[in-house]
Amino acid sequence: GEDVEQSLFLSVREGDSSVINCTYTDSSSTYLYWYKQEPGAGLQLLTYIFSNMDMKQDQRLTVLLNKKDKHLSLRIADTQTGDSAIYFCAENRDNYGQNFVFGPGTRLSVLP
Amino acid sequence: NAGVTQTPKFRVLKTGQSMTLLCAQDMNHEYMYWYRQDPGMGLRLIHYSVGEGTTAKGEVPDGYNVSRLKKQNFLLGLESAAPSQTSVYFCASSYGGGYTFGSGTRLTVV
Repeated sequence: GEDVEQSLFLSVREGDSSVINCTYTDSSSTYLYWYKQEPGAGLQLLTYIFSNMDMKQDQRLTVLLNKKDKHLSLRIADTQTGDSAIYFCAENRDNYGQNFVFGPGTRLSVLP
Repeated sequence: NAGVTQTPKFRVLKTGQSMTLLCAQDMNHEYMYWYRQDPGMGLRLIHYSVGEGTTAKGEVPDGYNVSRLKKQNFLLGLESAAPSQTSVYFCASSYGGGYTFGSGTRLTVV
């Protein structure tokens, strides 16, 4: 199908790791992105990965990319209450920014 | 450096009224976008622009019009507001890669 898919909800305990999964559709997408949306705010770019990479680490964030299965994941280590937000994955289906497709978002709840 | 600024932040309209949402970016980005965000439906592209003087339809363009007379501004118009247009509207801009988003406009049509 045409949609980028994500689970809608995830709950974890503070201090645990969170893994948010995403399945995208276009194998030719050059960049894949993770955005974070806190309550009442816009989306902020969290991290991105180029399609010729299979992993990218940035402090507590690890992005894994499986191109064969078109699967993208975001791991947040030592999850904190401030990580509670909606996380969107997105794929850029062309190089001109015209065909940027977002998933429905995963609402991460961090329990104390 | 303000990034992407949306005005207004909140608005309540009566059915049939018109209004314009303004998006301004100061990053010299070529591409600008208007999305709406509804519960359980993620972000849906309304219209977009690939440069000054150009606009194109996105996934859900009906009931909206846009203009990009200046590179830094992208206006979204509702000619005759309907309750189905109650939503949170986000503007974004990009150079062709990742998007920079505004903080949103919450619109309620009663």
